[in-house]
Amino acid sequence: DAGVTQSPTHLIKTRGQQVTLRCSPKSGHDTVSWYQQALGQGPQFIFQYYEEEERQRGNFPDRFSGHQFPNYSSELNVNALLLGDSALYLCASSFRGGNTEAFFGQGTRLTVV
Amino acid sequence: GNSVTQMEGPVTLSEEAFLTINCTYTATGYPSLFWYVQYPGEGLQLLLKATKADDKGSNKGFEATYRKETTSFHLEKGSVQVSDSAVYFCALINNAGNMLTFGGGTRLMVKP
Repeated sequence: DAGVTQSPTHLIKTRGQQVTLRCSPKSGHDTVSWYQQALGQGPQFIFQYYEEEERQRGNFPDRFSGHQFPNYSSELNVNALLLGDSALYLCASSFRGGNTEAFFGQGTRLTVV
Repeated sequence: GNSVTQMEGPVTLSEEAFLTINCTYTATGYPSLFWYVQYPGEGLQLLLKATKADDKGSNKGFEATYRKETTSFHLEKGSVQVSDSAVYFCALINNAGNMLTFGGGTRLMVKP
């Protein structure tokens, strides 16, 4: 079992650019959530995708958008990058049903310069 | 809204010392509670969980008890090892089961 896989592992972008991060959930999981973890802080919930729809969204601007594909994999897109978007972006997968264990990937380290 | 507060670190202990990391929460309803651990350069791993009041979660010598009356979920370990050095996050999940709320994390450093 490959677990949750994210790509790329590291990324450097310039302010104003756009970025796409990718996540493949753990085998058997159908729900993907994205979190932003700034340096020295706890992860903050961005949004969750289930059945190819955004089901819940945290306090993030519309510059943050996502997508889920029929194979349950997901993308996180961030437009008009700001320096403050520099963070570790974590993907977590779970099985729909509530209060189930979320498995996290290793994350993508995004640096905006 | 939901929130989690945990003690700030770093916590520095000698090997075999007793560990307590405090965690309190604010939430509506009866959330499930979690402790996650993050080793350097890695993602989060679930350490233990508790789903209802008075439940005790345990794993790898770590324990935490869901205390509804004090809205707390303190992490304890009787004898820490150097390999326990990591950042520990307390978290809860909302009633819909689709959003984890994390505390700010506590860095633990264990010296030989």
